[in-house]
Order: sequence, then C-alpha cells, then structure tokens
Amino acid sequence: QQQVKQSPQSLIVQKGGISIINCAYENTAFDYFPWYQQFPGKGPALLIAIRPDVSEKKEGRFTISFNKSAKQFSLHIMDSQPGDSATYFCAPSIVGNTPLVFGKGTRLSVIA
Amino acid sequence: DGGITQSPKYLFRKEGQNVTLSCEQNLNHDAMYWYRQDPGQGLRLIYYSQIVNDFQKGDIAEGYSVSREKKESFPLTVTSAQKNPTAFYLCASSTFLARMGTGELFFGEGSRLTVL
Repeated sequence: QQQVKQSPQSLIVQKGGISIINCAYENTAFDYFPWYQQFPGKGPALLIAIRPDVSEKKEGRFTISFNKSAKQFSLHIMDSQPGDSATYFCAPSIVGNTPLVFGKGTRLSVIA
Repeated sequence: DGGITQSPKYLFRKEGQNVTLSCEQNLNHDAMYWYRQDPGQGLRLIYYSQIVNDFQKGDIAEGYSVSREKKESFPLTVTSAQKNPTAFYLCASSTFLARMGTGELFFGEGSRLTVL
C-alpha cells in the first residue's frame, strides 16, 4: 500500500505568522501533488497542486514547495489568518491511475 | 449550480440495520468515489467507480456495497456486517482517471452516520 506521511498532526500559529505543513511519500511514480483544505462539517476542497516539473508554486498566500529527491512536498501559508483554521490534507497520486491516497491531515489553528 | 449532493446529512441507525447514503453529481464526471473519515485517520477509500455498471473496492470495502446504474448516481449501502460504521462519509467525483486531467476531486458536504 502506498504510504503518505503528513506532519505535524496539529499546528497552532499566531495571526500573521507562517504555517508549514509537510508531506512525505514513498512512491516515486507520483506525478501530482495536491493539498486539500477542509472546514469542520464540510467536504475537502482542492487548495493548490503542483506537478513534478516545477519546484515551487505560489497562489496568493499559499505556496507549495516540492523536493523530488527527498520525496517530500510542503504547504506554506504566509500571513496566516483565523479564516485559514482548517484541516489540511496532502494527497499525492499518479494522474490517470489510482485514486488519491490521503495523508492523515493536519489541524491548523490560527489564533489572534 | 454544478456540484455533488449527499443525503441525508445526518443519519442514525440501530445496530443490525442496513442504511443507504445517496450521492448525486451534475458535473458530468465519469469517476465517483466514497471515502470514510474518522478523527485522526484522514480519508480512507471505500469504493470507486470509473464508468457506469463498474466499480472497484478500495482499502476498506468490507461491510459496504455500492451500485453505479447511472453516471450521476453512486449510492453507498452500509450493511450490518460493517462492525464500526459510525463515521463521516464523503462522496467525490472527478474526470475519468485514464484521461490526462488534473485528478482533482470534487467533494460533497458529507453524511454523518451514527449507530445507536
């Protein structure tokens, strides 16, 4: 079974700070690296995703950093806001192949 | 509005009863999925379907059954054989797996099942 290890399990960040969540994977065939955001009582939604041909992708305050040799990718949330408080999941996959395998999630709390 | 509709949002069941969770999508997606979410466990795949009248088991299919008679619909039955059915169930859809899409999953708002 493909393994995906996400860390930390929970994270508390001051408003305006940087939140960093990491995802390590084993399958070198993965070619799609998304992060999903889930608010309480709702379904997850795609936040940002990256392909392995680039090392970084930025969308507003959210950045994915990808390290192919280390088999890791990270989500950075700059200027974290209370509205960012949610659970974040990584879900690396092979596009056109098996369904997404999700990490166990990171519960982020941004406090004022 | 295009999206995925799950019903009911909350469901209570007595032990020994089967229950069926509904999932309907109007996104014209080929593939549909059912995930189970437990605290601290992430999302675990129960079943998925790439085309009508075909589906595959996921990692935790025991005690569950599905059907895919229409492209828009993918109901999940939680049977009495499922030993610990209390959980949050999420239905999702995507473009056909074998196509060069992004692989993005679109989720419904979930159904919370509680066994009394």
